[in-house]
Amino acid sequence: EVQLVESGGGLVQPGRSLKLACAASGFTFSNYYMAWVRQAPTKGLEWVASISNRGTTSYHRDSVRGRFTISRDNARGTLYLQMDSPRSDDTATYYCTRLITTVAHFDYWGQGVMVTVSS
Amino acid sequence: DIQMTQSPHSLSASLGETVSIDCLASGGISNYLAWFHQKPGKSPQLLIYYASRLQDGVPSRFSGSGSGTQYSLKISNMQPEDEGVYYCQQGYTYPLTFGSGTKLEIK
Repeated sequence: EVQLVESGGGLVQPGRSLKLACAASGFTFSNYYMAWVRQAPTKGLEWVASISNRGTTSYHRDSVRGRFTISRDNARGTLYLQMDSPRSDDTATYYCTRLITTVAHFDYWGQGVMVTVSS
Repeated sequence: DIQMTQSPHSLSASLGETVSIDCLASGGISNYLAWFHQKPGKSPQLLIYYASRLQDGVPSRFSGSGSGTQYSLKISNMQPEDEGVYYCQQGYTYPLTFGSGTKLEIK
């Protein structure tokens, strides 16, 4: 059974740092592209970043590029999102997702982790 | 960026009814279109990918169609567990983008 379990969320002050992690199991992690998708309270879904199966290629949305960094450790089966200089509009539930690589659709989702950016 | 416009914003349906939700892309996306269902407090669930392919485990009353820039999700024989918000998503090009969602309620 595919499982994606996020951790590392919580309250962070604007301008500080936070690192999210996602432990994957039930599939060969190194074969799949992975991604983070977020959802602000009462809002819709928003793609944040994706990373190739080997970690050699990554994509970030414009609003987080230069502040957030997606990475992965295939030996540990773990996906990360380093959040530097977060802003109040980054407040959201962050979902770890697996991508169907050929069509860039999200076929499995974690339960989500809440990140609140506030002083 | 490709914008995804969903309609309607919300709708209500009776049990057993058939409903449709539309998604219009601002540019051609070559069938790289997925549909998701999200229940309150839960993670989204993939229903349809590549416009018309049913994800494993999803009931056959869900179906997808379309091409070019226009796509639709059809739910036949509406069931209570089908309540929630439905999103479309294009996987054709980065940034990956979602529609704003359609809230479906039982009448």
